[in-house]
Amino acid sequence: DVVMTQSPLSLPVTLGQPASISCRSSQSIVHSDGNIYLHWFQQRPGQSPRRLIYKVSNRDSGVPDRFSGSGSGTDFTLKISRVEAEDIGVYYCLQGANWPTFGQGTKVEI
Amino acid sequence: EVQLVQSGGGLVQSGGSLRLSCVASGFIFNNYWMAWVRQAPGKGLEFVTKTNGDGSEKYHVDSVKGRFTISRDNAWNSLYLQMNNLRVDDTAVYYCVRDPAYSAFDVWGQGTMVTVSS
Repeated sequence: DVVMTQSPLSLPVTLGQPASISCRSSQSIVHSDGNIYLHWFQQRPGQSPRRLIYKVSNRDSGVPDRFSGSGSGTDFTLKISRVEAEDIGVYYCLQGANWPTFGQGTKVEI
Repeated sequence: EVQLVQSGGGLVQSGGSLRLSCVASGFIFNNYWMAWVRQAPGKGLEFVTKTNGDGSEKYHVDSVKGRFTISRDNAWNSLYLQMNNLRVDDTAVYYCVRDPAYSAFDVWGQGTMVTVSS
């Protein structure tokens, strides 16, 4: 199975400042159709996860534009341009090209 | 409104069985793969099992093969997870999720807690 490794696992942030989370795959997750099925999820405390970004860089409806995704090959990044209080929670990457595997999660906290 | 409403779960002894249910609304249920994802207390997310739109294809993570079975009833817009021979390490919140393609889980249920005691 493809192993997804996130860093850091804990990310202290300052409101109004940028933040960045890395997600690396143990092997290329480029699908044979040319797409990269790398998705990002946010889980706020006490809530179900929700998808933020799909296929590396496509933001879901209703997701603030301060969230952006990028990357290629085996290295991917989720960026928050200016952290707001509602962004506190745990963020997960997920690759779906092969057997689906999540990263360990990155806890974003003040 | 697109939503998934879960029921079932609870406390069971090791070796016991439970059935989780998930009712979908707001979308054409049989057009979508559906899956179950779990989260052990204080831990991360783990994909468990998924099935295609007509239920003819099913995939399970190795740790639950032979014990858990995913099924669906499209007439009732419902997804199920039959869990047999439960183990303590199956203790988790289980989420019903919609999979539009390649595990891009875009809709999540509210989660249901399964606790397996020894």
